[in-house]
Amino acid sequence: EPEVTQTPSHQVTQMGQEVILRCVPISNHLYFYWYRQILGQKVEFLVSFYNNEISEKSEIFDDQFSVERPDGSNFTLKIRSTKLEDSAMYFCASSGGLAGESEQYFGPGTRLTVT
Amino acid sequence: GESVGLHLPTLSVQEGDNSIINCAYSNSASDYFIWYKQESGKGPQFIIDIRSNMDKRQGQRVTVLLNKTVKHLSLQIAATQPGDSAVYFCAEDAGNMLTFGGGTRLMVKP
Repeated sequence: EPEVTQTPSHQVTQMGQEVILRCVPISNHLYFYWYRQILGQKVEFLVSFYNNEISEKSEIFDDQFSVERPDGSNFTLKIRSTKLEDSAMYFCASSGGLAGESEQYFGPGTRLTVT
Repeated sequence: GESVGLHLPTLSVQEGDNSIINCAYSNSASDYFIWYKQESGKGPQFIIDIRSNMDKRQGQRVTVLLNKTVKHLSLQIAATQPGDSAVYFCAEDAGNMLTFGGGTRLMVKP
């Protein structure tokens, strides 16, 4: 069964450093998303991406965040200068295969720890 | 602001019993809801969805009920099994983003 994959599973970085979280969405999907989950809290939407541009973003997704689809398979989230409060699980999701399905499939997440 | 939230943070049930997890939403224009299951260390996993033109939808051992009058939905799990132990989230799907509720932890006692 096709699945969304994410790397790395755990990333530790120092405050102020840049990080790039990587995702490989399901191959025939057209819509891509990033969410985050601070420990013990609910999952929060960050951004959605379609046709090589951002279609929706939340207040969390400020100028420190950016997304990119550098090739036909990867979808990345970059945090330019990490803050302690960026520590969270970051989930990538994809949806919208050829059948037009809207269900979002989530990856296993990357745990980001900012020290 | 608009929100999707849950009534109970933790639900403990005996194996074999039925479980009911509740969720309230505040946006009366919401028309598509999804229940997700999240096991420890994993991403959310789709369980079942329902659109606002329905009040009930059944899957395998799961049923979602939607009451638009009081803006409430519930997830019923029949014959709860140890593998059902997880955190359950309701979410509103606005087309290009999901708004999640706070989550209910379901604990199944053997």
